[in-house]
Amino acid sequence: ILNVEQSPQSLHVQEGDSTNFTCSFPSSNFYALHWYRWETAKSPEALFVMTLNGDEKKKGRISATLNTKEGYSYLYIKGSQPEDSATYLCASWGGQGGKLIFGQGTELSVKP
Amino acid sequence: ETGVTQTPRHLVMGMTNKKSLKCEQHLGHNAMYWYKQSAKKPLELMFVYNFKEQTENNSVPSRFSPECPNSSHLFLHLHTLQPEDSALYLCASSQAQLNSYNEQFFGPGTRLTVL
Repeated sequence: ILNVEQSPQSLHVQEGDSTNFTCSFPSSNFYALHWYRWETAKSPEALFVMTLNGDEKKKGRISATLNTKEGYSYLYIKGSQPEDSATYLCASWGGQGGKLIFGQGTELSVKP
Repeated sequence: ETGVTQTPRHLVMGMTNKKSLKCEQHLGHNAMYWYKQSAKKPLELMFVYNFKEQTENNSVPSRFSPECPNSSHLFLHLHTLQPEDSALYLCASSQAQLNSYNEQFFGPGTRLTVL
């Protein structure tokens, strides 16, 4: 994989549902994987930065896991709330001259 | 508030105009970035400045000209743009460029429309 890919592109869930999305990235020459949350009309904000294979991070109802050997990360949201509605971006820092390569994002919509 | 501000938030310009986008960060960071997001595409890095020195130009056309007078301010000068340059332009900053675990702090972006 030369690019960072996210799936699904969009997701519509009901309030209270748990959900997860995937980020695939080049596993060779890996340094770090970033997750950002981007609400409409606001700035993207960092959720997690993960570097170690098997790493798992948690912030409230949101958690993320990392598999650097196979090149994927999962983001989980437990008990989705309408305020979780946003685009979730992942980005790989893979030694490409010190820059982040972003995926196209997963747009989450949580209906009350 | 992320500590990164951008002005203007919206800009409409003709192809012969010259305009500038401004970014300011109040976080004491040493690296600043310009990104472009076109519709339905990933964020695309344009330029990086690390300690006021340009360290990355991601094959950006010369009609986009960055300027970084100090570590807190970043400009993007626009000249003779094309309609396909219409996009959201995001500024970001981080502690330093060559540190993979430094999260980036983004501004809210400038929505640019080129007529």
